[in-house]
Amino acid sequence: NAGVTQTPKFQVLKTGQSMTLQCAQDMNHEYMSWYRQDPGMGLRLIHYSVGAGITDQGEVPNGYNVSRSTTEDFPLRLLSAAPSQTSVYFCASSHDTGLSGELFFGEGSRLTVL
Amino acid sequence: GDSVTQMEGPVTLSEEAFLTINCTYTATGYPSLFWYVQYPGEGLQLLLKATKADDKGSNKGFEATYRKETTSFHLEKGSVQVSDSAVYFCALRENSGAGSYQLTFGKGTKLSVIP
Repeated sequence: NAGVTQTPKFQVLKTGQSMTLQCAQDMNHEYMSWYRQDPGMGLRLIHYSVGAGITDQGEVPNGYNVSRSTTEDFPLRLLSAAPSQTSVYFCASSHDTGLSGELFFGEGSRLTVL
Repeated sequence: GDSVTQMEGPVTLSEEAFLTINCTYTATGYPSLFWYVQYPGEGLQLLLKATKADDKGSNKGFEATYRKETTSFHLEKGSVQVSDSAVYFCALRENSGAGSYQLTFGKGTKLSVIP
């Protein structure tokens, strides 16, 4: 029972490099989302999706792209990494697009941009 | 916009002490309220929730009551254990409109319980 799986767990990038954080869930959840967690800031929503082919911006979308070609996968792309994107990234999913129930989180991906 | 304010941490308690972590919120409508917990090196897990005024959420000895009149959702536990050491996040979700698709989190309160 894998739940929400994120890869990689750790990554170091140089400024200007690109990369993709992978997120996959095996619970057939319609809703998926990406948050970043910074010290003293709590979690802030980057992008979310309420189903395959549908994505929308959250609170801090600049510098990030997402797509949702399947129900299971929701990758987060950094096209040109900046030091301000150093953070811990969490993918989360929910069966209920209205979020009345539980949001299931992955274990996180720690990104450092030099 | 919506916001959640939690008491500043870190909080250090002795085992079997009483725990209160304060949480107040600002929302345009009548939100659902949540407490999530993050153990070291892990993602967040739902601890408890309440969806309307005067509801009490409870789980693993933790409780929180949705107080609309004071816009609060304080987390309490009567006797903490070392295993409760974690970061606790209060969160809200609007029950309608675009805000219903996201959780708004507080900054988190780190709890350390010493034997």
